[in-house]
Amino acid sequence: EVHLVESGGGFVRPGGSLRLSCAASEFTFSRYWMTWVRQAPGEGLEWVAYINKEGSEKYYAGSVKGRFTISRDNAKNSLYLQMNSLRDEDTALYYCARIGYSGYNFEYWGQGTLVTVSS
Amino acid sequence: QSVLTQPSSASGTPGQRVTISCSGSSSNIGSKTVNWYHQSPGTAPKLLIYSDNQRPSGVPDRISGSKSGTSASLAISGLQSEDEGDYYCAARDDGVIYVFGTGTKVTVL
Repeated sequence: EVHLVESGGGFVRPGGSLRLSCAASEFTFSRYWMTWVRQAPGEGLEWVAYINKEGSEKYYAGSVKGRFTISRDNAKNSLYLQMNSLRDEDTALYYCARIGYSGYNFEYWGQGTLVTVSS
Repeated sequence: QSVLTQPSSASGTPGQRVTISCSGSSSNIGSKTVNWYHQSPGTAPKLLIYSDNQRPSGVPDRISGSKSGTSASLAISGLQSEDEGDYYCAARDDGVIYVFGTGTKVTVL
C-alpha cells in the first residue's frame, strides 16, 4: 500500500521560513509526479505546487509563487516544500499527494502536517 | 477564490440518490478532465472519480461522475452513512494550474 508521511510543520512568525518533507514508500517514487495541497482551518482544499518525475518541471499556485519552492530527492524517496516569507494566510494543514498517470488526479494522500503562522 | 462552484450542502436519507454539481468554464471543465475527492471529517481527502467518470479500484459503482460542457456532476446512489463528509471537484485550469471546487458538505439524515 502506498505510504506518504509529511513532517516539518510547526509554529512560525510571519516572515519566517519552514521546510516540509514528505517521505514516500511502497512504490517507485521516481516514476510519479508529486504535489502539495493545503487546507486552512475550516476551509476547502487549495492546490499549492507540483513537480515532475525528474524534478525539472515545477508549477505553483499564484498565492505561493516566488515564496515557496517544491523539490524532490528520488534517491531518498522524498518530496519537499521550502516555504519562505510566510504569511498568516499560509496557516494550513499541508498534504503531499501522488499524481496518477491519468489526468492529474491526486490518487494517494498523506495525513498532513500543520503549519501555523502567527505573531 | 475558487473558479469551480459547488453547492455548499446536500443531504439525503439512507438509500436515496444525491447529486452534486460543479460549475466551471471553458478554461477548466470545458477543456480538461474532472476529478472528484471525498474527505471524511478529520481525515485526508480520497480520490473518488478521475478523468470525468472513472472510478479508482475500491470505489463502489454506486458512485458515478459525468460531465457536459462546462459543468460536471457527481452522483451517489444508495446513500450510506459512510458517504458523509465533504466533496470537492477539481480540474486543471489555463494549462497547468490546478483548481478545486468550493466543496459540498453531504449529510445523511
